[in-house]
Amino acid sequence: GEDVEQSLFLSVREGDSSVINCTYTDSSSTYLYWYKQEPGAGLQLLTYIFSNMDMKQDQRLTVLLNKKDKHLSLRIADTQTGDSAIYFCAALPNSGYALNFGKGTSLLVTP
Amino acid sequence: DGGITQSPKYLFRKEGQNVTLSCEQNLNHDAMYWYRQDPGQGLRLIYYSQIVNDFQKGDIAEGYSVSREKKESFPLTVTSAQKNPTAFYLCASGGQGVNQPQHFGDGTRLSIL
Repeated sequence: GEDVEQSLFLSVREGDSSVINCTYTDSSSTYLYWYKQEPGAGLQLLTYIFSNMDMKQDQRLTVLLNKKDKHLSLRIADTQTGDSAIYFCAALPNSGYALNFGKGTSLLVTP
Repeated sequence: DGGITQSPKYLFRKEGQNVTLSCEQNLNHDAMYWYRQDPGQGLRLIYYSQIVNDFQKGDIAEGYSVSREKKESFPLTVTSAQKNPTAFYLCASGGQGVNQPQHFGDGTRLSIL
């Protein structure tokens, strides 16, 4: 199956930009997603990008996709303390419906 | 409001007991999924269903069972054969077509008494 890798932790100061990185192995992945999970809660869909796109921007969120390197990043501008959460990268393989998830990146925003 | 409802939020299981986790959606989605989340492990797929009366095993189906008798409902039973059931269980649903993202419920935390 596909491997999706993320760094486990990231700490930033309030007001700075955060960049969370993800790599995946299946080059035929059609869609790539970013989800946010707050403590004790389910996953909230933040944004997603189709594999033929390089970039997608949605308010404070910017997703960059380098398909050649199979690298995905999520940039959060003007990071706030409420952005502290676990962020999951997920890839949809061409062969099916079920997502492959990374282990999540814990983002800590300090005042 | 449309969404996915999981119940209960917390559940305790005794040794040798089967327990059933409920998942209901009113998003009119065809596909539904069950994931297990352990600390530091990300999400692992237990079962999924693309249509009523049909479901497939995911990566860690042993010790679990599901049914899909109605489009809105996809209950998960954790059987006594599942020897390490303590985890956070997440249900998701998605529309037909690969461009329909999955949406998640708020999860059920299962613990052993």
